[in-house]
Amino acid sequence: TQLLEQSPQFLSIQEGENLTVYCNSSSVFSSLQWYRQEPGEGPVLLVTVVTGGEVKKLKRLTFQFGDARKDSSLHITAAQPGDTGLYLCAGGSNYKLTFGKGTLLTVNP
Amino acid sequence: SAVISQKPSRDICQRGTSLTIQCQVDSQVTMMFWYRQQPGQSLTLIATANQGSEATYESGFVIDKFPISRPNLTFSTLTVSNMSPEDSSIYLCSAKITLGSNYEQYFGPGTRLTVT
Repeated sequence: TQLLEQSPQFLSIQEGENLTVYCNSSSVFSSLQWYRQEPGEGPVLLVTVVTGGEVKKLKRLTFQFGDARKDSSLHITAAQPGDTGLYLCAGGSNYKLTFGKGTLLTVNP
Repeated sequence: SAVISQKPSRDICQRGTSLTIQCQVDSQVTMMFWYRQQPGQSLTLIATANQGSEATYESGFVIDKFPISRPNLTFSTLTVSNMSPEDSSIYLCSAKITLGSNYEQYFGPGTRLTVT
């Protein structure tokens, strides 16, 4: 069974701070996707990374896929209250996704 | 990308009854999935909805409890049968879009089910 460990599980920071969320596994994934989910909504796809070492930027969010395609990180610069939500990583292999347990981020104004 | 809608968005049901959740995708997709999510928790895959054949269920989920239909490439339903309070959860429909040798997966807004 493939497992994805996310850390930290909870994170509460002040507006303007930087943060990094980690997603680790002992398994190799063909791709890794990051989602953000707000209360009462479905997960919204932020990015897909497929190449080991790949770095993608989405405004203040930077995503990195590990060289061995077993881990990934999400870095947010100058966090804003609108970044509040549950961040989920999901590893793709074969035809389905394996989800981590998520990081619940709260950005306080 | 894909835009996915679900109906109903929420419902409160009595134990012993059944609820059918509908999922509509705005484009034809090869694969659709149904997930369950407890409040504040991650997603658990219930089954893959296969067009033209029986759904493929994950360990711990059975067809009698969660019958699934997939009549075409844009629509699927999930029924939660003989409900008990333990079935209270958010049920999410998802669709996979193939991009070359990789894919992206999109989710509907979810159906929040409360069983009393």
